[in-house]
Amino acid sequence: DGGITQSPKYLFRKEGQNVTLSCEQNLNHDAMYWYRQDPGQGLRLIYYSQIVNDFQKGDIAEGYSVSREKKESFPLTVTSAQKNPTAFYLCASSMNWATDTQYFGPGTRLTVL
Amino acid sequence: SQQGEEDPQALSIQEGENATMNCSYKTSINNLQWYRQNSGRGLVHLILIRSNEREKHSGRLRVTLDTSKKSSSLLITASRAADTASYFCATVLMDSNYQLIWGAGTKLIIKP
Repeated sequence: DGGITQSPKYLFRKEGQNVTLSCEQNLNHDAMYWYRQDPGQGLRLIYYSQIVNDFQKGDIAEGYSVSREKKESFPLTVTSAQKNPTAFYLCASSMNWATDTQYFGPGTRLTVL
Repeated sequence: SQQGEEDPQALSIQEGENATMNCSYKTSINNLQWYRQNSGRGLVHLILIRSNEREKHSGRLRVTLDTSKKSSSLLITASRAADTASYFCATVLMDSNYQLIWGAGTKLIIKP
């Protein structure tokens, strides 16, 4: 089955802890994205990667970090510097940065206790 | 900043009826896309319409684009319970780096 997987589905974090959200795709897509979704709002772009070993900040990158060491993987770390991390996090990929259709994973719901 | 704004925020109709959702945007676009999100899940791409197109169809879905009014509509005909979801429009701006700008979505409920 081709697609995007995210893990875990639910994640609980204590204040002051860093956590890493996993995103893997086997679609052979060059571009990958991380979005944050809050209730009643649209998606906001955290980071994106147009190609392996490269990534760029999106609109709300503060308090987050990413890596893109492999084409298939684009993990997101939510650091203790992120003031309000409780949200639904969505990973997506597309054939390349200029390709229009994005394919989404099932999401990770992060709750800070 | 939010580029697309969907209207209405929520819509509840009977199964079998048609559902219409609207999206307005502020600046010139390269294309506009519609996505569906079932509760607590990822988004699924439905239709993409380019700035030089006026209408597109996909099964029971019909999307129109009026660039003079900076608006788009998504029509779902003969709605089914499985159509219950949130629907989002996303725009690629004319002079952007292909970043998608998302609206806040319309929550559609189909009553059996």
